[in-house]
Amino acid sequence: KNQVEQSPQSLIILEGKNCTLQCNYTVSPFSNLRWYKQDTGRGPVSLTIMTFSENTKSNGRYTATLDADTKQSSLHITASQLSDSASYICVVSARSGNTPLVFGKGTRLSVIA
Amino acid sequence: GAGVSQSPSNKVTEKGKDVELRCDPISGHTALYWYRQSLGQGLEFLIYFQGNSAPDKSGLPSDRFSAERTGGSVSTLTIQRTQQEDSAVYLCASLETSINPRTDTQYFGPGTRLTVL
Repeated sequence: KNQVEQSPQSLIILEGKNCTLQCNYTVSPFSNLRWYKQDTGRGPVSLTIMTFSENTKSNGRYTATLDADTKQSSLHITASQLSDSASYICVVSARSGNTPLVFGKGTRLSVIA
Repeated sequence: GAGVSQSPSNKVTEKGKDVELRCDPISGHTALYWYRQSLGQGLEFLIYFQGNSAPDKSGLPSDRFSAERTGGSVSTLTIQRTQQEDSAVYLCASLETSINPRTDTQYFGPGTRLTVL
């Protein structure tokens, strides 16, 4: 069964600190992995997209890594800001093209002053 | 340009009533998805439309759920005889086709929060 597991479920950090969110998947055959940020009351917004040949991708203070062998991904947030408080969702595509995706339940990040 | 829009933003209904949720995708996007997100849960795929192809309805939880997409643009998700477990945020996303389909990005609407009393 295709699944995406994220950890931790929730996380609280101080402003300015770094943090790393984890995503493990069993989706096969793998096509790509996406990290989304979802602010409360808003739709998810894409942060990064990686295919099997990509090990790391950055978007500002966000850096995603992918290990297709161990089927693990991480999202590292550097120098966190209060506006980083949101849910971060890992999404894996089982096939290329316009096909349904498998979503993790997300990690709820709270950045406090 | 405008993003994906959804209406209404909030809907409260009584158990047993029918509801219609609307999604206006980004102009030119050929693919459109519906998802729902229950409180504390991840996104659950419901249905997707790709151009003029028959929609993939494999995610619809019951025959009370249906969706259509008129003229390849606006889509309506209909829930008949709503139940309390239908309460969730219903998200719509449209897809921009890129040269490399493996890097397509979905654009999400703000969602409709449905509450069934």
